[in-house]
Amino acid sequence: DAEITQSPRHKITETGRQVTLACHQTWNHNNMFWYRQDLGHGLRLIHYSYGVQDTNKGEVSDGYSVSRSNTEDLPLTLESAASSQTSVYFCASSDIALAGEKDTQYFGPGTRLTVL
Amino acid sequence: QKEVEQNSGPLSVPEGAIASLNCTYSDRVSQSFFWYRQYSGKSPELIMSIYSNGDKEDGRFTAQLNKASQYVSLLIRDSQPSDSATYLCAVNTGFQKLVFGTGTRLLVSP
Repeated sequence: DAEITQSPRHKITETGRQVTLACHQTWNHNNMFWYRQDLGHGLRLIHYSYGVQDTNKGEVSDGYSVSRSNTEDLPLTLESAASSQTSVYFCASSDIALAGEKDTQYFGPGTRLTVL
Repeated sequence: QKEVEQNSGPLSVPEGAIASLNCTYSDRVSQSFFWYRQYSGKSPELIMSIYSNGDKEDGRFTAQLNKASQYVSLLIRDSQPSDSATYLCAVNTGFQKLVFGTGTRLLVSP
């Protein structure tokens, strides 16, 4: 069955370190998204991609970067981790349609990141 | 700022009752609307999507959309304790960028 996976599921790191969170989907979806979820803020969009070599900044992109070298993967990198980046991170993917029944986003299981 | 507003709850209903969850949004051009269910410590799971004004039913769930009033709701009939979760309203503000509300926590008591 097609799925979307994230790794690691839990990560503890120190302030200033570079961290990369992996996201891999086998839906063959063109669109991939990264969100962070914090109490009181809900899910907020960090970065997104509509296809290979395409990346775009979301609402809370400062301190994060992504790259898209193939359809299946969109890794999220924290260049220099800060305590404010302690959060739960979700990856999602969706089909190519701009609107209509195919624009549903499907979420991965999440990565809980703690920055000490 | 494109916003999606939900009452944080908790909304408490007895087993077998109808739970009504509400959401308002600010961006008039939004075309797609979603309800996700999220259990504690888990990822969001799609419950319903709705694209046109009116009602859309799927089993015990009914989504209602009123674009003129910028209002979308989710009704859960015959609520079960297993429905206890946080329900997230999400709005596609264009090019599949979703804006989420902060969620409504639903508690269904046996």
